[in-house]
Amino acid sequence: TQLLEQSPQFLSIQEGENLTVYCNSSSVFSSLQWYRQEPGEGPVLLVTVVTGGEVKKLKRLTFQFGDARKDSSLHITAAQPGDTGLYLCAGYPSGTYKYIFGTGTRLKVLA
Amino acid sequence: DAGVTQSPTHLIKTRGQQVTLRCSPKSGHDTVSWYQQALGQGPQFIFQYYEEEERQRGNFPDRFSGHQFPNYSSELNVNALLLGDSALYLCASSRGRGTRTEAFFGQGTRLTVV
Repeated sequence: TQLLEQSPQFLSIQEGENLTVYCNSSSVFSSLQWYRQEPGEGPVLLVTVVTGGEVKKLKRLTFQFGDARKDSSLHITAAQPGDTGLYLCAGYPSGTYKYIFGTGTRLKVLA
Repeated sequence: DAGVTQSPTHLIKTRGQQVTLRCSPKSGHDTVSWYQQALGQGPQFIFQYYEEEERQRGNFPDRFSGHQFPNYSSELNVNALLLGDSALYLCASSRGRGTRTEAFFGQGTRLTVV
């Protein structure tokens, strides 16, 4: 059972456009992390959100943790080709030490 | 400060063989987790080691086993390899067992079973 569902699964946009990626679960998470992964490489940590309702900004990336800590979103403003990659949310569902990943969103930004 | 390092980076094995993958955690980290990532999919949790013991396990058969050494480095062993075991194997390290800790990943080992 996949506890973290991401949408959309694939996204292809033009440079300069904005986009939002969603990460949803029926479980509560102590925290959620967002990663970006390029082909053949390990995931690289972008941010950790801990508090319900928290918003974190990393240059053109804005991350939000839902009030109930069951969902999160990643918003990218003015996407650039360098943003291309696989975006993954991940975390520990409450009551478990199994760190699980979302289904992933593959983003392609065209120049 | 070295991050998480994995070896080897690439490996080709024949069906039925056994393989050992290695991971050195980031300095200061004592928890190591292993993941299997098939092409085009997100990583799937195999197991986690803490204090040299397997603490959590995902839905993987007993052919997948591991070990953590006193210096916190870890090995992943896979016996009786199947073609379906071909994947990128990722190691992640973190500090402690808290559920708010961040995991840092190595670059992975690409295993191809032929």
